[in-house]
Amino acid sequence: SAVISQKPSRDICQRGTSLTIQCQVDSQVTMMFWYRQQPGQSLTLIATANQGSEATYESGFVIDKFPISRPNLTFSTLTVSNMSPEDSSIYLCSVDDNSYEQYFGPGTRLTVT
Amino acid sequence: QKEVEQDPGPLSVPEGAIVSLNCTYSNSAFQYFMWYRQYSRKGPELLMYTYSSGNKEDGRFTAQVDKSSKYISLFIRDSQPSDSATYLCALVALTGGGNKLTFGTGTQLKVEL
Repeated sequence: SAVISQKPSRDICQRGTSLTIQCQVDSQVTMMFWYRQQPGQSLTLIATANQGSEATYESGFVIDKFPISRPNLTFSTLTVSNMSPEDSSIYLCSVDDNSYEQYFGPGTRLTVT
Repeated sequence: QKEVEQDPGPLSVPEGAIVSLNCTYSNSAFQYFMWYRQYSRKGPELLMYTYSSGNKEDGRFTAQVDKSSKYISLFIRDSQPSDSATYLCALVALTGGGNKLTFGTGTQLKVEL
């Protein structure tokens, strides 16, 4: 299975600012996914990022708030823009191995004050 | 009604017990079924993956799927304190929209000495 790393592992940010989260995979993958896990909640898919095309966002998530880059087959970034305390969450990236199995990174724990 | 329902627990059992974790779902389009384990402050780890009704065994873990009842289970035999974690079911629908996982809310399990 792929090995996935995320930076930063955690951060505390002030409202109104933006944070960019990086996701690095140790092998080339077609699809990368970004999820949010709010306290006491399950994982919710934010968007799917394919290399060379625009990310596809799920209902309730918009590009202006969560811009995503996917410059190559091993790397992606998610930016959380104009943050509010409601954005406090764990943000996770995942990849699939061209099957239905998805593997997750360790997550980025974001607190917005 | 949520697409996937999972009892959040917490579930506390003595070491050596058999644990049963369950999810129900409403969408017949779900055809692939996964179980993830998530330790505190870590990303989800894929435990098992199945797509057919019946049982699939892997060591102390057995995944059971009943598509007619839209009910899936994960059994853990001889539970150990190291099994203490949150267990999430995740389902994939064959809708042609990519490998999107729909997660249950997770069941928190504690195995006590």
